Amino acid sequence: ETGVTQSPTHLIKTRGQQVTLRCSSQSGHNTVSWYQQALGQGPQFIFQYYREEENGRGNFPPRFSGLQFPNYSSELNVNALELDDSALYLCASSFLLGRDTSEQYFGPGTRLTVT
Amino acid sequence: AQTVTQSQPEMSVQEAETVTLSCTYDTSESDYYLFWYKQPPSRQMILVIRQEAYKQQNATENRFSVNFQKAAKSFSLKISDSQLGDAAMYFCAYRSARINSGYALNFGKGTSLLVTP
Repeated sequence: ETGVTQSPTHLIKTRGQQVTLRCSSQSGHNTVSWYQQALGQGPQFIFQYYREEENGRGNFPPRFSGLQFPNYSSELNVNALELDDSALYLCASSFLLGRDTSEQYFGPGTRLTVT
Repeated sequence: AQTVTQSQPEMSVQEAETVTLSCTYDTSESDYYLFWYKQPPSRQMILVIRQEAYKQQNATENRFSVNFQKAAKSFSLKISDSQLGDAAMYFCAYRSARINSGYALNFGKGTSLLVTP
């Protein structure tokens, strides 16, 4: 069974640039959630994708967007980067069927630094 | 919105001893789930234990157990026979059972657990 993987591991960007982070879900999972974890804080929910559509969103501006592909992998895109976007970005996958969902299993994260 | 509070930024325990990490939450919902996640320096978030709000029985997973007090909105984690590998950040998390919640996990700020030999 393949776990959740994320790429890249680390990334350095300049304020105003755009970035794309990638996530491959665990085998058998059909849902991907993205979280932002600032230094010294707990993760904050950005959004979830199910069946290639956004299935829920946290309190993040529209410049945070995502995609889910037919193989259930996902991308997180952030436009017009700000210094406060520097954080660990975590991806989590789960299996959703009707009202039932499995637990979320997390990837190792991508560390984004905005200078 | 639900809030999760972990009032202990840091805790320390000796190897083989028992430690309890505290968590309180605020919600108006009656159906929800609570979790403890562990995040070692490798950064990967690992599920330790989960509790369904409708179950009165406290969850147990080997050396890890919880004390779930629904009326008091309290959810503490007890680690027995602590091991060096237990050293990590521990996060308490809440998830609504509502379909339109996006099944989002709502995390506390975490408790850093140090295990000393």
